[in-house]
Amino acid sequence: GENVEQHPSTLSVQEGDSAVIKCTYSDSASNYFPWYKQELGKGPQLIIDIRSNVGEKKDQRIAVTLNKTAKHFSLHITETQPEDSAVYFCAASITRDNDMRFGAGTRLTVKP
Amino acid sequence: DAGVIQSPRHEVTEMGQEVTLRCKPISGHNSLFWYRQTMMRGLELLIYFNNNVPIDDSGMPEDRFSAKMPNASFSTLKIQPSEPRDSAVYFCASSFKRGTYNEQFFGPGTRLTVL
Repeated sequence: GENVEQHPSTLSVQEGDSAVIKCTYSDSASNYFPWYKQELGKGPQLIIDIRSNVGEKKDQRIAVTLNKTAKHFSLHITETQPEDSAVYFCAASITRDNDMRFGAGTRLTVKP
Repeated sequence: DAGVIQSPRHEVTEMGQEVTLRCKPISGHNSLFWYRQTMMRGLELLIYFNNNVPIDDSGMPEDRFSAKMPNASFSTLKIQPSEPRDSAVYFCASSFKRGTYNEQFFGPGTRLTVL
């Protein structure tokens, strides 16, 4: 089955700096890669996703890149703000199977 | 839309007791997922349903765990008997599977503590 690895487990940055979180996946058939943000006491919320027919996607301060050959994808947050502090999860799935596997999560702290 | 609704939000019970967690998916969604989140194991998929039918329950840890989806608007996850190692946050998520679209919407979770 699919195995998703996520690094780093914790990340601390100064406000205004960029943050990068990286994930690798094992199943070359995976074609959908969402990123979720989980704030304290809440469920994960989708912030951006990318499908395997696209190499990069951007939404304001957030961007994701996908390298299908290397089977890795990354989340980039620019101009970080304290409210970006949360746990971020990457995930991978084969959409026909509807089965999503999550990375272990990255705790991002943005220091003001 | 109210989003995915889970109840209770917190549950404290004693070892050996039966625990039932409830989920109401987003109206119109046809897939429902149960996840467990712990510090040690992260976010684990326990079981998921498509059109009320269980598709993959390979993540259910033991026979003490069971899940049902009697209709499109309700699902339960039951633990009987409960054990302290079942303490975790349990999330329900739903999605509308159409073609390749697969976004899952998570509920707020149920924090279960088994003493």
